[in-house]
Amino acid sequence: LAKTTQPISMDSYEGQEVNITCSHNNIATNDYITWYQQFPSQGPRFIIQGYKTKVTNEVASLFIPADRKSSTLSLPRVSLSDTAVYYCLVGDSGFQKLVFGTGTRLLVSP
Amino acid sequence: GAVVSQHPSWVICKSGTSVKIECRSLDFQATTMFWYRQFPKQSLMLMATSNEGSKATYEQGVEKDKFLINHASLTLSTLTVTSAHPEDSSFYICSARPTSPPYEQYFGPGTRLTVT
Repeated sequence: LAKTTQPISMDSYEGQEVNITCSHNNIATNDYITWYQQFPSQGPRFIIQGYKTKVTNEVASLFIPADRKSSTLSLPRVSLSDTAVYYCLVGDSGFQKLVFGTGTRLLVSP
Repeated sequence: GAVVSQHPSWVICKSGTSVKIECRSLDFQATTMFWYRQFPKQSLMLMATSNEGSKATYEQGVEKDKFLINHASLTLSTLTVTSAHPEDSSFYICSARPTSPPYEQYFGPGTRLTVT
């Protein structure tokens, strides 16, 4: 399973766009990139998954360059409720096994 | 959306006793369920993979005799912490993978275990 590296923490203000980058230099050909969000004392929640280029859903966008060695989760116009830990995971799309890295602790301030 | 529940949400037990945590997929069937452990300010650590009708697969370093996992049906998996000690105090989270697509892992709300 490919190892991921992400910033330990990030700070932002309400209404700003937040971009969290994840490095996964050893990503395999059949690996997908998945992001989860976790609030304190809760289980993680799926945000978005992608393989290449760009994926967008109602809450976020995921940008993946051609070499797929990194990815960027983009949260548009964050609010206080987006304060959470965001995990980048790399693995098969079938979610057979998830290995969580350190995650990025995002703090959104008023 | 798919819902996974855990019971209890929190439990306090005395050192040396055993405690059972239930994980249920409420509106879907799950061939595979996963158990994670999370210490404060740390990431989730996968403990074991539970397959319905077969023995669980434990991650390296996880004592299978201490953390007993049973996956007797397609909607229920249980984790029993035997002879609990204070160092077992943690946040235990389960997840379930549906038997049919989309194969996302849906996480439960977690169970806070405190061993006194």
